[in-house]
Amino acid sequence: GAGVSQSPSNKVTEKGKDVELRCDPISGHTALYWYRQSLGQGLEFLIYFQGNSAPDKSGLPSDRFSAERTGGSVSTLTIQRTQQEDSAVYLCASSWGHRSSYEQYFGPGTRLTVT
Amino acid sequence: KNQVEQSPQSLIILEGKNCTLQCNYTVSPFSNLRWYKQDTGRGPVSLTIMTFSENTKSNRRYTATLDADTKQSSLHITASQLSDSASYICVVSEAYGGSQGNLIFGKGTKLSVKP
Repeated sequence: GAGVSQSPSNKVTEKGKDVELRCDPISGHTALYWYRQSLGQGLEFLIYFQGNSAPDKSGLPSDRFSAERTGGSVSTLTIQRTQQEDSAVYLCASSWGHRSSYEQYFGPGTRLTVT
Repeated sequence: KNQVEQSPQSLIILEGKNCTLQCNYTVSPFSNLRWYKQDTGRGPVSLTIMTFSENTKSNRRYTATLDADTKQSSLHITASQLSDSASYICVVSEAYGGSQGNLIFGKGTKLSVKP
């Protein structure tokens, strides 16, 4: 079946602009995660959604970052007033459940470059 | 502070040779440990998952070991192939944590297999 898809695959934007990154999880997966991967760094957790529960936003680095998940499926990560330090690969993952025993399936990522 | 440290940071080997990647962690309480393979421009893909009671687990040419007493894991790759060139990420899960999906990511080991 189809895996996790993300769009766009690459995004170049000017400093100060807003960007929206999209994630389509595997159908039926109730948990959805956003991560950021900077060059030479490990994955940094940003936010996760589990079913209809309030999202865990504890990893968002600033109030310029926000995310929503509509209808328990597609998710959008929005970065407002982008800064050069926002340049990174943004990865989305989904799983059957939240707990660590469930394997996370990752999308290919969106490479964001802020000039 | 929960941490996952991987070594070496990068490794170059010749096709057909074996290699071993290391992962040390301080995560507690421990739930499980995963090794992921991340090809360039792709999202991570799970290779193995190991729980507290498992010492070794194999997946084709990949063999992972876990010593829960010393909090160390290794990933051994046998008879390497060019397609093994990738980053290998060690991920440790906390037990009963509430945020980040309970996952702590290492920075990865970048493996290059040369002909």
